[in-house]
Amino acid sequence: DIVMTQSPDSLAVSLGERATINCKSSQSILYTSNNNNYLAWYQQRPGQPPKLLIYWASTRESGVPDRFSGSGSGTDFTLTISSLQPEDVAVYYCLQYFGAPHTFGQGTKLEIK
Amino acid sequence: QLQLQESGPGLVKPSETLSVTCTVSGDSISSSRHYWAWVRQPPGRGLEWIGSVYYTGSTYYSPSLKSRVTISVDTSKNLISLDLNSVTAADTAVFYCARHRTSATAYDVFDIWGQGTMVTVSS
Repeated sequence: DIVMTQSPDSLAVSLGERATINCKSSQSILYTSNNNNYLAWYQQRPGQPPKLLIYWASTRESGVPDRFSGSGSGTDFTLTISSLQPEDVAVYYCLQYFGAPHTFGQGTKLEIK
Repeated sequence: QLQLQESGPGLVKPSETLSVTCTVSGDSISSSRHYWAWVRQPPGRGLEWIGSVYYTGSTYYSPSLKSRVTISVDTSKNLISLDLNSVTAADTAVFYCARHRTSATAYDVFDIWGQGTMVTVSS
């Protein structure tokens, strides 16, 4: 199985400041035939199902604010929230869908400082 | 508008079989050609992919659960089912169904999720 490791486990950021969450895969999830990284980011607010934010490592899902961005390739990926808003308080998960089983990171809890 | 609605028993006894269903509305499972997945989340913990099914009945399962899991599809009722047998307290979780984003492949993200159904394993 591909192991996904997120850092940090929790993060407190002031409103309007930048938040950065990292995700590392135990093997490359870049498919060289199509040059796509099989990496997605999800946001999960309390009591809600996960919401897709980013796929192919950097493609924003329709309707997701542009303060959310994804970057990285191969084994190292980053989710950046450029200016934290109150509604961004949530747990964030990365997901690799390169191989089966699809595996999630352990989650990063984002709070307001 | 596509919607997924899970339903389940709420409480299951240890060693028994947990059965949950997901009713799909707003799209046809057979004509949309998407894969459909089950993902679970124990209370206060992270997400775990259980497996995925195509409208043809073709399935992919997580190796860690494969010996206990059956995922099936009923195209006439537009629903997906999950059976997990020989359950223990460790199987207590919210069970979500979700759609794989791109048709005809399970190697894609989950873009639409149901609200989930909580199932507790306890005597």
